[in-house]
Amino acid sequence: KAGVTQTPRYLIKTRGQQVTLSCSPISGHRSVSWYQQTPGQGLQFLFEYFSETQRNKGNFPGRFSGRQFSNSRSEMNVSTLELGDSALYLCASSPGVPMWGVTDTQYFGPGTRLTVL
Amino acid sequence: QKEVEQDPGPLSVPEGAIVSLNCTYSNSAFQYFMWYRQYSRKGPELLMYTYSSGNKEDGRFTAQVDKSSKYISLFIRDSQPSDSATYLCAMSLTSGNKLVFGAGTILRVKS
Repeated sequence: KAGVTQTPRYLIKTRGQQVTLSCSPISGHRSVSWYQQTPGQGLQFLFEYFSETQRNKGNFPGRFSGRQFSNSRSEMNVSTLELGDSALYLCASSPGVPMWGVTDTQYFGPGTRLTVL
Repeated sequence: QKEVEQDPGPLSVPEGAIVSLNCTYSNSAFQYFMWYRQYSRKGPELLMYTYSSGNKEDGRFTAQVDKSSKYISLFIRDSQPSDSATYLCAMSLTSGNKLVFGAGTILRVKS
């Protein structure tokens, strides 16, 4: 099975711009979660989507948003970029529902490294 | 105080040593416990997944969960230079739910 894929892998933007990141989950997985990883704060949960609906949300400002499509692919958007948004953005997929013999835990993609200048 | 505490290290050991990595947590409602390994410039890779208290073994890796003490451990036997990475503990309230991570421990295994 192919793993979680994220595009692009690297991005450089300037303050005030907006950015869209994309994530394709493992085939058959219906849940996609997004995390931000920085040296100071570590890995922090942004939000989770399941069946095109936001199911969980972390403590991030409204500039951070996401969506999920009917094929489970997900995008996250950050508007009005700030220097502090520079981070590795990780997407994780999981089955999203209990399934016999399947561990419902999260598998991560390689991440998108965003640099804001 | 953080919900999950993990010593960031770095922890440096000789090849072949037994490594012990630990996390403590404050929320007694956590039920699912994981260990991830992250190499530089890569995404976290799931190593171990445990539900509730107990031990789980997979090859050279053993995960232990003590819910009464709110303490989890990962043991690596016969450590190899290829084990050099950052090890992250993570936990959640329900399966597949949002994960709360520790800061990660940097491990260096010297040959």
